[in-house]
Amino acid sequence: GEDVEQSLFLSVREGDSSVINCTYTDSSSTYLYWYKQEPGAGLQLLTYIFSNMDMKQDQRLTVLLNKKDKHLSLRIADTQTGDSAIYFCAVLGGGGNKLTFGTGTQLKVEL
Amino acid sequence: NAGVTQTPKFQVLKTGQSMTLQCAQDMNHEYMSWYRQDPGMGLRLIHYSVGAGITDQGEVPNGYNVSRSTTEDFPLRLLSAAPSQTSVYFCASGGNYNEQFFGPGTRLTVL
Repeated sequence: GEDVEQSLFLSVREGDSSVINCTYTDSSSTYLYWYKQEPGAGLQLLTYIFSNMDMKQDQRLTVLLNKKDKHLSLRIADTQTGDSAIYFCAVLGGGGNKLTFGTGTQLKVEL
Repeated sequence: NAGVTQTPKFQVLKTGQSMTLQCAQDMNHEYMSWYRQDPGMGLRLIHYSVGAGITDQGEVPNGYNVSRSTTEDFPLRLLSAAPSQTSVYFCASGGNYNEQFFGPGTRLTVL
């Protein structure tokens, strides 16, 4: 089955850019997503990218997709303390029914 | 719209007890799913449904049953709870697999 991997922790200073990385194994994946989870809450969809796209920008968020390397990244510009959370990468398999999540990256924003 | 609602928010069970986690959505989504979230393991798919009367197993279905008699409701049943089922459970729904909305979660402890 699909395997999705992320690093566990990232620490940045307020105002810097954050880059969270994700790798996956299923080359037939159709949609790839980034979710944000704040403490004690459910997951909130931040953005997604379709597999025929290389880049998607949405305000402070930029998603880059390298299909050859099966690598997805999320860049947060001008990171704020409110961005501190766990960020999950998720990949929708070629069958279209199963969403596989990475382990999540905990982003800590320091003053 | 209330979105995706889950009850209860917290539950403590003894080993061997049974219970049902409730999930409801008011967005008329066909697709609904259940995940469990454990530290360092991301979210793992338990069961999912692509419409009323249709359910299928995810990555970790053992020990759990589901049914989908209506579009709105997708309960998750634990027939005989085990300590290994201590986790946070999330229900999600989505229209076209393009975006999934998550409920607030149920934190379950099995003693």
